[in-house]
Amino acid sequence: DIQMTQSPSTLSASVGDRVTITCRASQRISSYLAWYQQKPGKAPKLLIYQASSLESGVPSRFSGYGSGTEFTLTISSLQPDDFAIYYCQHYDPYLWMFGQGTKVEIK
Amino acid sequence: EVQLVESGGGLVQPGGSLRLSCAASGFTLSNYEMNWVRQAPGRGLEWLLYIDSSSRTTSYADSVKGRFSISRDNAERSVYLQMNSLRVEDTAVYYCARVLWGGHMDLWGKGTTVIVSS
Repeated sequence: DIQMTQSPSTLSASVGDRVTITCRASQRISSYLAWYQQKPGKAPKLLIYQASSLESGVPSRFSGYGSGTEFTLTISSLQPDDFAIYYCQHYDPYLWMFGQGTKVEIK
Repeated sequence: EVQLVESGGGLVQPGGSLRLSCAASGFTLSNYEMNWVRQAPGRGLEWLLYIDSSSRTTSYADSVKGRFSISRDNAERSVYLQMNSLRVEDTAVYYCARVLWGGHMDLWGKGTTVIVSS
């Protein structure tokens, strides 16, 4: 089974910082890699799909990159609304795998 | 408004059963594949089950295989999650989500809470 591992588990940052979250797969995967943001008590929100495509309505400070086994989510200038937990998710036909999540907290 | 609304959660004893519903509005459910995803308290997201638009294909996570099942009624604009032989570790918020080509989920409900406890 493919395992998705995110790093770091927790990231402390300040408003305006550039932050990068990494998602590593245990074996080479397709680019069916998505990123979600989740705030406390809320449903996940799709940010990025197919590794680098920005979901409609998502601010352009969010970007995704990667292929093979390593994928990244970058927030170019962290805003107060961005403090949340971020999950990567891979799709292998008819199976879905999430990373364990990265909490972005205020430094 | 385009939305998914889950219902049917509640408190159930270990070994019991529960049926969750996911009602779609604002879009044509029959055009979309659907997932159920859950989140245990303080934990991450866990994919559980998938169903294609015509109910021909379903898939399950190993953790629920043989206990949970997924179905849909496109005429009723609803997707269902039948949960049997519930365990304490099934306690979670259960979300339904719309699946797009490539496997990403662009629309989620707000979730319904299931508590399995004696």
